[in-house]
Amino acid sequence: KQEVTQIPAALSVPEGENLVLNCSFTDSAIYNLQWFRQDPGKGLTSLLLIQSSQREQTSGRLNASLDKSSGRSTLYIAASQPGDSATYLCAVKDGENGNKLVFGAGTILRVKS
Amino acid sequence: DAGVIQSPRHEVTEMGQEVTLRCKPISGHDYLFWYRQTMMRGLELLIYFNNNVPIDDSGMPEDRFSAKMPNASFSTLKIQPSEPRDSAVYFCASSLVGSDTQYFGPGTRLTVL
Repeated sequence: KQEVTQIPAALSVPEGENLVLNCSFTDSAIYNLQWFRQDPGKGLTSLLLIQSSQREQTSGRLNASLDKSSGRSTLYIAASQPGDSATYLCAVKDGENGNKLVFGAGTILRVKS
Repeated sequence: DAGVIQSPRHEVTEMGQEVTLRCKPISGHDYLFWYRQTMMRGLELLIYFNNNVPIDDSGMPEDRFSAKMPNASFSTLKIQPSEPRDSAVYFCASSLVGSDTQYFGPGTRLTVL
């Protein structure tokens, strides 16, 4: 059974710092991996999606990498801002014929001004 | 587009009562997903539909839970009878066939007393 773990569970940094969030998964036979952002009291917003054949994706100040063989992904946030404060979740899709996403517990990020 | 719409946004009920959560997916989307989020278990997929047909309900915790999708623009998740351990945030999401991006609604926060 696929399990997704995110480290750290919470992170507090001063504004302007570069930071890395980690995600690991137990079964490397994934179809893709996504990073989501969740703001308090709201739903999830997809940030980046990496297909299993890709090694990284970038969007603005965000960069996500994928090392499928080792079961790891990182989300790099450059020059963090208070508006980046949110919970970040990673999720893996198991298999091409299914649409099930398995989520990690998330990393709660606080960027202090 | 208004995005995925869920109602009610908050529901407080007493143990033993029937609870019905509602979801309107994004128009034209083929897939609809119901998730539950708790502090203990994180975000879990309960059931998903493709073209109004339930595809995988293995995440539905008990027979007390049922979901229907009578047409492409409406789905319900019903809990009967409700129990305090059902207290959680329930999310609905939808996506297009061929796309891995799921669009989440704002969620329904359910409290069972």
